[in-house]
Amino acid sequence: EAQVTQNPRYLITVTGKKLTVTCSQNMNHEYMSWYRQDPGLGLRQIYYSMNVEVTDKGDVPEGYKVSRKEKRNFPLILESPSPNQTSLYFCASRSTVGQPQHFGDGTRLSIL
Amino acid sequence: GENVEQHPSTLSVQEGDSAVIKCTYSDSASNYFPWYKQELGKRPQLIIDIRSNVGEKKDQRIAVTLNKTAKHFSLHITETQPEDSAVYFCAATFNFGNEKLTFGTGTRLTIIP
Repeated sequence: EAQVTQNPRYLITVTGKKLTVTCSQNMNHEYMSWYRQDPGLGLRQIYYSMNVEVTDKGDVPEGYKVSRKEKRNFPLILESPSPNQTSLYFCASRSTVGQPQHFGDGTRLSIL
Repeated sequence: GENVEQHPSTLSVQEGDSAVIKCTYSDSASNYFPWYKQELGKRPQLIIDIRSNVGEKKDQRIAVTLNKTAKHFSLHITETQPEDSAVYFCAATFNFGNEKLTFGTGTRLTIIP
């Protein structure tokens, strides 16, 4: 089954404790993105990747890092999480230009 | 960068009536405009999209129209049903050479039985 898998689905942690949210897709997609969803603000793109070792900033990259060492994986790293990063996070992938994005099920992060 | 405005933020319609959600974008280079539906607690899912070389696209009860001159596009849902209740997001991107996608802030659509 074609899917985008995020882990963990839920996480409560404390300020300053490094965390990684993993994202993996089994569709051999070149393009992958991370979004955060906040009430009233919609989905905002954090980072995106157009291929292995090719990443770029979205609209809200501050406080986040990503890497794309393999085509299937695109982890989101919060080196020093802060409460304003409490949000619902979605990973997405798509095969090429003009094709629809496939979203993961989301990761709800709470930073205390 | 691109800026997408979406209206209204909430919309309630009687079952069987039509619903219209409107979006405007700022970057005239944008050429791909998808619409996503997000049910409560679930992931966004693409319901329809349109490219800048097309003025209108229809898929059963759902249609999207695009006015490039005015830089706005709209989602039309006819004969609404309770299962249409969800949050709808529009988005815009220049679909060549980058993966940057800007979303609107969403419309919560409620269908009243």
